[in-house]
Parts: sequence; structure tokens; C-alpha cells
Amino acid sequence: AQSVTQLGSHVSVSEGALVLLRCNYSSSVPPYLFWYVQYPNQGLQLLLKYTSAATLVKGINGFEAEFKKSETSFHLTKPSAHMSDAAEYFCAVRVNSGYSTLTFGKGTMLLVSP
Amino acid sequence: SQTIHQWPATLVQPVGSPLSLECTVEGTSNPNLYWYRQAAGRGLQLLFYSVGIGQISSEVPQNLSASRPQDRQFILSSKKLLLSDSGFYLCAWGQGSFTGELFFGEGSRLTVL
Repeated sequence: AQSVTQLGSHVSVSEGALVLLRCNYSSSVPPYLFWYVQYPNQGLQLLLKYTSAATLVKGINGFEAEFKKSETSFHLTKPSAHMSDAAEYFCAVRVNSGYSTLTFGKGTMLLVSP
Repeated sequence: SQTIHQWPATLVQPVGSPLSLECTVEGTSNPNLYWYRQAAGRGLQLLFYSVGIGQISSEVPQNLSASRPQDRQFILSSKKLLLSDSGFYLCAWGQGSFTGELFFGEGSRLTVL
């Protein structure tokens, strides 16, 4: 069964610093992977997705993620953090059930200090 | 463009009372529909999904039920709420594409007292 693990429930960075949020997946088939962002008391917004095309995926708000099969990883990065990036981030993998359900990690809260 | 609406946004209910959360999607037809629950530190738990009118699949046995009376309407219900039903409920839709991304509503925060 497909699953994802997010390392670190909280990550703190200073404004302008590199953002790195970690996600490792487990899948017996080539996975489809996603990163979502959630602001307080709001729904989830899709940041980017990996669908077996380019391994480096660019998303919205300056975020990108690199699919590394050898490391079973799909880490999310942003070169320079902004205060508005403070939110919770979820990694997800498509479950190969035919019904497009997603299995989510437990989330990583990104804290950005001035 | 497609939009998804969820209501109510906030709900405080006593234990043992009924529940009805509604979700509608606009701008698409025959979407796959989903209810997720989010608890602090536990990520998102898939509760129900539906691929068509009257077709409901349950992922987790619980005190809740779901119905899809119309193509773009998805309802989450309970006859008697428990304290453990408190949480943030998210409705989502997907087109059933192979890539499988989902699009989420704004969420409904339920507090059971």
C-alpha cells in the first residue's frame, strides 16, 4: 500500500532562509505525489504534483520539489522563505485504487521568523 | 472554473445531537467526491468517497454516514454525535484523472461538547 512519511512536525526558519520540508514515500508502483499547503482554518491548496514526467517539479509561490526514486523522497524546497509561507504543509501519494484517493502525511508546520 | 462550497464553516453541537454538513461542487460534472477529517497532529483521514449518485464507500467504521443525493452534492451526517467526532472536516472533489489531484473546500470545524 502506498504511504508517505513527513519528517518533522515543525520546521522553523528565518525570513530569507532556505525552506526544506521532507517527505519520503512508500509505493510498490511508480507513485504520483503531491504537496499541499493549508493556512489556518482553511482548506488545502495544491502546491505542486509529480506525475512521472520531469523529476524536478515547480509549483506555485516559488516552491519546487524533486522526485528521487533512489531515495524514495519528494522533498519540498523554496530558496528564500517569506513570512506569508508560514502554514502547514502536507505531502500526499495517490492510492492505486482507481478512485483517485490520496493518502496524506501528518503534516509539517512551517514557522517563519523575521 | 470549478468551485467547491462547504457549510457551515463552524458548528458547536452537544453530544447526542444530529449532524449535517453539506458540500457542493460547481463547474464540473460527475466528480469523485470525498470527505476527510483532520485532527491535530494526525494528518487527514479519509472518511468516505463517492464516484456517483448513491454510491458511497466508507474507509473507516464510525459514527458518521455520507450520502450523495445529487451529482454535485455530498452530505456528511450523524444521528448522534460523540465527543470524538470533533474535528475539521474537509470536502474534496477530483475528476478521476490518473494523476489524481484533489481540490478542497474551505472546511467545517465541528466542536462537540
